[in-house]
Amino acid sequence: QSVLTQPPSVSGAPGQRVTISCTGRSTNIGAGYDVNWYQQLPGTAPKLLIYGNSNRPSGVPDRFSGSKSGSSASLAITGLQAEDEADYYCQSYDSGLRGSHVFGTGTQVTVL
Amino acid sequence: QVQLQESGPGLVKPSETLSLTCTVSGGSISDYYWCWIRQAPGKGLEWIGDIYFSGSTNSNPSLKSRLTMAIDTSKNQFSLNLRSVTAADTAVYYCARVEVGGYYDFWGQGTLVTVSS
Repeated sequence: QSVLTQPPSVSGAPGQRVTISCTGRSTNIGAGYDVNWYQQLPGTAPKLLIYGNSNRPSGVPDRFSGSKSGSSASLAITGLQAEDEADYYCQSYDSGLRGSHVFGTGTQVTVL
Repeated sequence: QVQLQESGPGLVKPSETLSLTCTVSGGSISDYYWCWIRQAPGKGLEWIGDIYFSGSTNSNPSLKSRLTMAIDTSKNQFSLNLRSVTAADTAVYYCARVEVGGYYDFWGQGTLVTVSS
């Protein structure tokens, strides 16, 4: 059972903008801990997409952006492309679980 | 470029111990935390625990009583032992490097471990 909640799925047409929410609580995101995002293409290991709420590692297109407000965070994908079809996970730290790193429930992005 | 590779048995019997090793290449294991993450078939990601190069560890409370992690800096390897496994421990197990900000920047390709008699 995850303490970070994401919508199970989002979809959009090529070129559109989609957003994925990550809702936490006062012991994790709301406590000020950073949120990180990962992309998992089918059959592969997750890949770091966004770190420290809004920073992109080298090589990640600027179509991907992250933000955080209060106890929630969001990942936005603009100019959606077929290659963006994947599962996306948020991740943070929770002080209320005797110190645990926690992942979101995951969101499957479908490009229509 | 740092690379990680998991190794270990792909099949473990119920009640036995699941043992995996992660070998790090392209960089030193020192000065970083290293972690284990698993993903049950068709499910999301679950943090198992992490270990510092000094040997100090942090574990998921739900697994802590069954979990042992170790690190061998001379071999650039770290390992995981999960005791008394059940079918619920069947998953792809990933090892990853933990950056200072608490995010995972380099991952292994993952190894599927099936618990079955």
